[in-house]
Amino acid sequence: NAGVTQTPKFRILKIGQSMTLQCAQDMNHNYMYWYRQDPGMGLKLIYYSVGAGITDKGEVPNGYNVSRSTTEDFPLRLELAAPSQTSVYFCASSLDTSGNTIYFGEGSWLTVV
Amino acid sequence: AQSVTQLDSQVPVFEEAPVELRCNYSSSVSVYLFWYVQYPNQGLQLLLKYLSGSTLVKGINGFEAEFNKSQTSFHLRKPSVHISDTAEYFCAVTRVQGAQKLVFGQGTRLTINP
Repeated sequence: NAGVTQTPKFRILKIGQSMTLQCAQDMNHNYMYWYRQDPGMGLKLIYYSVGAGITDKGEVPNGYNVSRSTTEDFPLRLELAAPSQTSVYFCASSLDTSGNTIYFGEGSWLTVV
Repeated sequence: AQSVTQLDSQVPVFEEAPVELRCNYSSSVSVYLFWYVQYPNQGLQLLLKYLSGSTLVKGINGFEAEFNKSQTSFHLRKPSVHISDTAEYFCAVTRVQGAQKLVFGQGTRLTINP
């Protein structure tokens, strides 16, 4: 009964370091998403994917990269971390469009110092 | 483009009292509407959604919402709240056509006092 699994749950990075947030789903969903949530704010879409090999930018893509080599996995790469990337990151997935429910992971808390 | 405005950032309510969390949206195309709940240090969980049909939508945990197209609103209601309803609530929209990309409001923190 895993759903959407994110790792790590917590991470502290130094300015300029790089890291990858991992996301996996076991529901055979086509669509996957990465959102970030800043304090007191709603979620903003970073990148999304409509299937293996296909990715597209969301509202706030700068400073991030993604890949989708399999249906199950959708890692988010942070290159040259900056303090502005301190946030909570949520991975999500859905079967397809047409109003299907989007399921969220439990979040990854990232602090850049 | 779509946008969502949640009119109250914080709503304090006494236990067993009714509550309404307000949400207005803006869109030039048809949209689907959602309410999500986020408990402390957890991910988001779907409460309910409006796709089509009856404008009154019932969700989990006794919540319901009414879609009002003329007022572009999708307010969330519960007739009697419990301590366990303390959480952050997010209204979200996505366009009907094309890739489903949720646009979220800034959230309403619901605090239930005994």
